Amino acid sequence: TQLLEQSPQFLSIQEGENLTVYCNSSSVFSSLQWYRQEPGEGPVLLVTVVTGGEVKKLKRLTFQFGDARKDSSLHITAAQPGDTGLYLCAGDGAGTASKLTFGTGTRLQVTL
Amino acid sequence: KAGVTQTPRYLIKTRGQQVTLSCSPISGHRSVSWYQQTPGQGLQFLFEYFSETQRNKGNFPGRFSGRQFSNSRSEMNVSTLELGDSALYLCASSLWGGRETQYFGPGTRLLVL
Repeated sequence: TQLLEQSPQFLSIQEGENLTVYCNSSSVFSSLQWYRQEPGEGPVLLVTVVTGGEVKKLKRLTFQFGDARKDSSLHITAAQPGDTGLYLCAGDGAGTASKLTFGTGTRLQVTL
Repeated sequence: KAGVTQTPRYLIKTRGQQVTLSCSPISGHRSVSWYQQTPGQGLQFLFEYFSETQRNKGNFPGRFSGRQFSNSRSEMNVSTLELGDSALYLCASSLWGGRETQYFGPGTRLLVL
């Protein structure tokens, strides 16, 4: 069974601070996705990383896929209240993104 | 383009009953996947349907079943409900499945009493 552990589980920070969320596994994934989920809604895809060592930037968010494709990180610079939500990583280990293995989730709260 | 819609949004049932949830994918999408989200287990894959056929299945008991219609709309059914089935049930659609981006619906929140 492929497992994805995220850390930290909860994070409460003030606007303007930086943070990093980690997603770790002992399994290799073909690709890894990051989602954000807000209350009452389904997860929304932020990014997909495919190549080991890949770094992708989405405005203030930086995503990195580990060289061995077993781990990933999400770094947010100068967090804003709009970044509040549940961040989920998800691995595509079966060769199909339709059967994703989701991480345990990191709940982020950004206050003014 | 309208997003993925799920009905109903909220549902309360009692133990032993059965329930059917519905998912309408984005127009043109043929792959529909279902997930269960609980605070303790997180998001877990239930099954995927493509062209009316179940293509992938997660590790859930046979009480959980689904089907897909010719218009790609999908339903999932849970029979003999247990308290532990209380969860947010999410469906996601994509054009062909595989490595494509999935788009999630808002979910159906099921409470079993």
